Amino acid sequence: QKEVEQNSGPLSVPEGAIASLNCTYSDRGSQSFFWYRQYSGKSPELIMFIYSNGDKEDGRFTAQLNKASQYVSLLIRDSQPSDSATYLCAVSQGGKLIFGQGTELSVKP
Amino acid sequence: DAGVIQSPRHEVTEMGQEVTLRCKPISGHNSLFWYRQTMMRGLELLIYFNNNVPIDDSGMPEDRFSAKMPNASFSTLKIQPSEPRDSAVYFCASSPRGLAGGNNEQFFGPGTRLTVL
Repeated sequence: QKEVEQNSGPLSVPEGAIASLNCTYSDRGSQSFFWYRQYSGKSPELIMFIYSNGDKEDGRFTAQLNKASQYVSLLIRDSQPSDSATYLCAVSQGGKLIFGQGTELSVKP
Repeated sequence: DAGVIQSPRHEVTEMGQEVTLRCKPISGHNSLFWYRQTMMRGLELLIYFNNNVPIDDSGMPEDRFSAKMPNASFSTLKIQPSEPRDSAVYFCASSPRGLAGGNNEQFFGPGTRLTVL
């Protein structure tokens, strides 16, 4: 079992819809969880982090964390074509982050 | 405020040559990370430093790879000799928090695209 798992996609949604990206992790001791966005040919860019159970909202983005289920998700409301990218989930482990393989999101106009 | 700076942005070399990648972290950050990204393996952590000290180098693939951080504002990743399978994008990232805990958010540089012929 991989330490951090994501569906590789591609996930395709129409413009204006809600995109839901999911991530599971294996280390119950993990305390902090991150979502990065990576455009093709660019570096990963931090968009959100969460460390408490529940939801955290930032603009069109909502991160959801359920530590009991070892599950973290990212919702993107009113998806735009500019949201088309690969989304990487990362989980803290000591002083480092463990990254998932990423989910490719495509938002169709 | 400048982000993480990496050089060169692109490097093309021949098998057997030495390659040195450079990184300048964000000022004030005390942790620095080197990653390698390929389509097949995704984003892999190679090594990370906290306060200029290497903490975990378990991701360094073999002895051909070495990394140094002589001071808080500079780090190098060296491959000697290079091989075609080393072709990848190499990212450097820095974090304002390290072993002491905290959120450990990392900020990535633009990367170096390495091609070994």
